[in-house]
Amino acid sequence: GESVGLHLPTLSVQEGDNSIINCAYSNSASDYFIWYKQESGKGPQFIIDIRSNMDKRQGQRVTVLLNKTVKHLSLQIAATQPGDSAVYFCAENWGGGADGLTFGKGTHLIIQP
Amino acid sequence: SAVISQKPSRDICQRGTSLTIQCQVDSQVTMMFWYRQQPGQSLTLIATANQGSEATYESGFVIDKFPISRPNLTFSTLTVSNMSPEDSSIYLCSVGGGTYEQYFGPGTRLTVT
Repeated sequence: GESVGLHLPTLSVQEGDNSIINCAYSNSASDYFIWYKQESGKGPQFIIDIRSNMDKRQGQRVTVLLNKTVKHLSLQIAATQPGDSAVYFCAENWGGGADGLTFGKGTHLIIQP
Repeated sequence: SAVISQKPSRDICQRGTSLTIQCQVDSQVTMMFWYRQQPGQSLTLIATANQGSEATYESGFVIDKFPISRPNLTFSTLTVSNMSPEDSSIYLCSVGGGTYEQYFGPGTRLTVT
């Protein structure tokens, strides 16, 4: 099937700065997108999601932007903290919830003190 | 979100043997999914497991190698059969959250020697 990919495998940011993690998707039929955070030794943790009929959604310190024109998804983390260090995955679904997710490659976010 | 547990959390197995991984959810869910995460990689969907029906496998995964049971709405098992070192991975179950979102268990870390 079509895949979801990420632009950068590793992102290093200073503590307190904002982080932006990008994701490109190729399936124009995808109607739902999720960002997950995976810390070492743990399962993926749901962060935020967005439906294809939206272009922006905000959570606590996180914002997801969806640009359907260029098939691009981004996760913005405000005021990055040491606890934000993890691998972040984007995932897409086009099965209306009945199907599993297709995951991108992942970006390792490193927080510099 | 549902609380998901997996057993065992990790195991080291010899090639040619089989391991059954259990996934338990604290509430009834319709959709359950099994994923594989190879070392340093992203997640790949193995199959969708719905109660009362045969599991649906993704391309590259077959029932003989990864038999799945789903006896009720809170429990599922995945067996990794006739294991080889290439099966060394993290195996994760996830559950549907009601609409599109999915929540993951902590994973089972399998090493095959």
